[in-house]
Amino acid sequence: EDKVVQSPLSLVVHEGDTVTLNCSYEVTNFRSLLWYKQEKKAPTFLFMLTSSGIEKKSGRLSSILDKKELFSILNITATQTGDSAVYLCAVGNQGGKLIFGQGTELSVKP
Amino acid sequence: SAVISQKPSRDICQRGTSLTIQCQVDSQVTMMFWYRQQPGQSLTLIATANQGSEATYESGFVIDKFPISRPNLTFSTLTVSNMSPEDSSIYLCSGTVSGSGHEQFFGPGTRLTVL
Repeated sequence: EDKVVQSPLSLVVHEGDTVTLNCSYEVTNFRSLLWYKQEKKAPTFLFMLTSSGIEKKSGRLSSILDKKELFSILNITATQTGDSAVYLCAVGNQGGKLIFGQGTELSVKP
Repeated sequence: SAVISQKPSRDICQRGTSLTIQCQVDSQVTMMFWYRQQPGQSLTLIATANQGSEATYESGFVIDKFPISRPNLTFSTLTVSNMSPEDSSIYLCSGTVSGSGHEQFFGPGTRLTVL
């Protein structure tokens, strides 16, 4: 059975800290791994990763995929209170479906 | 990216009734999906909405309970039938836009409460 596992499930940090969120997966017919940020309702797209070892970066956020070890990490540097959210990892298969992890709830304290 | 709208944004319904949720995208999408997010949980795929034909349902979801239509490339509906309190969730539609690779973009969601 396909599964995506995120860790930690929750995390509390202070502004300025750097955090690393983890996502491991076992999915047949892997096509891509996606990261989303969910604050209230709709997940907003952050990154899509398809190739190992190529870092994707957007401002203070970056992510990388290891297809051999079947995991990805999402790094957030110099965290701000506005980074507080649930971060979702999802793996897409060849059929276009996404399998989501449980999410990591990040809380950034001032 | 795609702009995806849903309506209603929220509703409170009585047990035994049905609610139809609409999803509209502003550009042609290759695939559309419906997800459910129960309180405190992650997203679970209900079905893939197929244009002009029956939706493809995931294990644990059936057409009688969650009928789905997709009459054209940019519009889809999900009906939650014969509702019970266990159906209280956020329902989200998503789409994969042609030419964007296969990023999936989500609508704002419909928050359903069943009394």
